[in-house]
Amino acid sequence: ETGVTQTPRHLVMGMTNKKSLKCEQHLGHNAMYWYKQSAKKPLELMFVYSLEERVENNSVPSRFSPECPNSSHLFLHLHTLQPEDSALYLCASSHRGGYGYTFGSGTRLTVV
Amino acid sequence: GQQLNQSPQSMFIQEGEDVSMNCTSSSIFNTWLWYKQDPGEGPVLLIALYKAGELTSNGRLTAQFGITRKDSFLNISASIPSDVGIYFCAGNNAGNMLTFGGGTRLMVKP
Repeated sequence: ETGVTQTPRHLVMGMTNKKSLKCEQHLGHNAMYWYKQSAKKPLELMFVYSLEERVENNSVPSRFSPECPNSSHLFLHLHTLQPEDSALYLCASSHRGGYGYTFGSGTRLTVV
Repeated sequence: GQQLNQSPQSMFIQEGEDVSMNCTSSSIFNTWLWYKQDPGEGPVLLIALYKAGELTSNGRLTAQFGITRKDSFLNISASIPSDVGIYFCAGNNAGNMLTFGGGTRLMVKP
């Protein structure tokens, strides 16, 4: 148990589906992050929430929509994805301005 | 923007061998970190370095924060099969987000 829980662990979805990824942390952190990890590519930062406000949106297509209802929960809503969006999506949390990111185990997403 | 160049990109190890990997940056960082990612899991923090020149160990792992603050290395001594995975370096300046290297994939020689 890493302290950051992501669900589901695996997700297969069609290009017209709508689904959501969930991330939950009970470490008392106040910043949360979504990363995308594709095969043989570096970790790509997608979104950052600090104190429940979005502070970073790294030119991510609008078919990805984040939501942070409170400091413990982070969602990534998915809609009309493309096959190239298939990847491991990692959530992380930290204290604001801190460097000790704690990662979840990720959601392995396959778009068919 | 800041970039971290991590090398080698991949390497094969034989059990018992020592392993070395490094990370270089075009800009300075105040903190260097090393993470390991096991297959199907998220990265886990191994070692954090806070001062230029600092040398820190965690079991068989040793990492150093380069004196110029633009590089760091990680050594693994007497490797074992469970050392396989992807190792990421990351740099940070206070208040900013982590910048990650591209990773070094460690595999076992058949």
